[in-house]
Order: sequence, then structure tokens, then C-alpha cells
Amino acid sequence: EDQVTQSPEALRLQEGESSSLNCSYTVSGLRGLFWYRQDPGKGPEFLFTLYSAGEEKEKERLKATLTKKESFLHITAPKPEDSATYLCAVRAVDSSYKLIFGSGTRLLVRP
Amino acid sequence: DSGVTQTPKHLITATGQRVTLRCSPRSGDLSVYWYQQSLDQGLQFLIQYYNGEERAKGNILERFSAQQFPDLHSELNLSSLELGDSALYFCASSVEPGAHDNEQFFGPGTRLTVL
Repeated sequence: EDQVTQSPEALRLQEGESSSLNCSYTVSGLRGLFWYRQDPGKGPEFLFTLYSAGEEKEKERLKATLTKKESFLHITAPKPEDSATYLCAVRAVDSSYKLIFGSGTRLLVRP
Repeated sequence: DSGVTQTPKHLITATGQRVTLRCSPRSGDLSVYWYQQSLDQGLQFLIQYYNGEERAKGNILERFSAQQFPDLHSELNLSSLELGDSALYFCASSVEPGAHDNEQFFGPGTRLTVL
């Protein structure tokens, strides 16, 4: 069964303290791995898509990487406005284009 | 702002009732997806439509149904509501399922509370 596991569940950082969020996945065939940011009570906001092992993408203080079994979201020198829940999702190779989401990592960055 | 709109933002109703949630996709997007987000289940895929036709079904209850209209907006109908149906319901849209860069963009959601 296709599955996505994110860790840690919650992470508290001081402003400027870099860290990484993990997303491990089990999928029959990977069509894409997606990272989203979600603020409380709002819809997920698209961040990155990764398609193959070794691929990396960057946006401001965020960098996403992908291996054959997991993805990391690296946050460099975070600011309080980076506080949010970060969701990882995969799309499997099948006839559906649904996203299978992990339960997310709640990030709190303190000033 | 993703360009996906959903109405209403909030909905409070009673058990046994029926409600309709509406979604308008981003301009140019042909595919619409519905997801349910509850505290204990996370984001769960319900159903997908592409250009008016049902494309895929997830963990959607028989009490729930959806459709996509010729103008590409979509409606999710929830009937015989139960307390456990209380959740955030999100709509997402994408260009077309087979496109390489087929990111799904989410709307702001409808918060359903069943009393």
C-alpha cells in the first residue's frame, strides 16, 4: 500500500536555527513528490515538485531534496513567518492522479 | 491566492441534513480534486474529475457525491450528515492529469461543522 510518513510531528526552532524535515515514502512507482505549506485554517500552498532521485529545488530559505526512499525539506536560517505545517505528498504510477499525503510536520519558529 | 475558489467558507448544519460545497478551478485547469481534512485522518483524497468526467475515486462515502459542470466548476454533495463528517473540505485543480508539471493548487476550503 502506498504510504507517506513525515517526521518529526512537531519542531520548534529559534530564529536562524537551521534544520530539516523528513518525508519517507513507500509507493509502487513514483510519479512525483510534492511539498506544500499549510497555515492554520487555510488551504495547502504549493512549494515544490520533485520527480527523480538526486533532484533538488530551492525557494528562498527552503530546499527540497529527493532520494529513492525519502525527501528532505531543509530550512536555512528560518524566520517566524516560516511557522506553518509542512505537508509532503506523493503521486503514484497508476491510473489515478490523486495525491497521498503525510500527516505533516508542524514547525514553530520563535523570534 | 491560488486562483481556486470555494464557497461557502463555513457551514454549520445538523445531523441527517444535506449540503452542497462549490468549487471553481483556476482559469485553464480542467481537472478538479476533492479532499477531506480531519484532525485524526489528515488530508484524504475523495474524488477527481477531468473535463466533466469522473476520473478516480478515493475513500469517498456512498453518502457523498460530486460532479463537474460544463463550465468546469464542481460541486460536492454530502447527505445524511453525521457528526464524523465535520472536517475541512478542500478542492484542488490542475491543468490536466497527464501533464508533467501537474501540480495541484488548493482552494481555501470549506469548514463543515455537523451538530
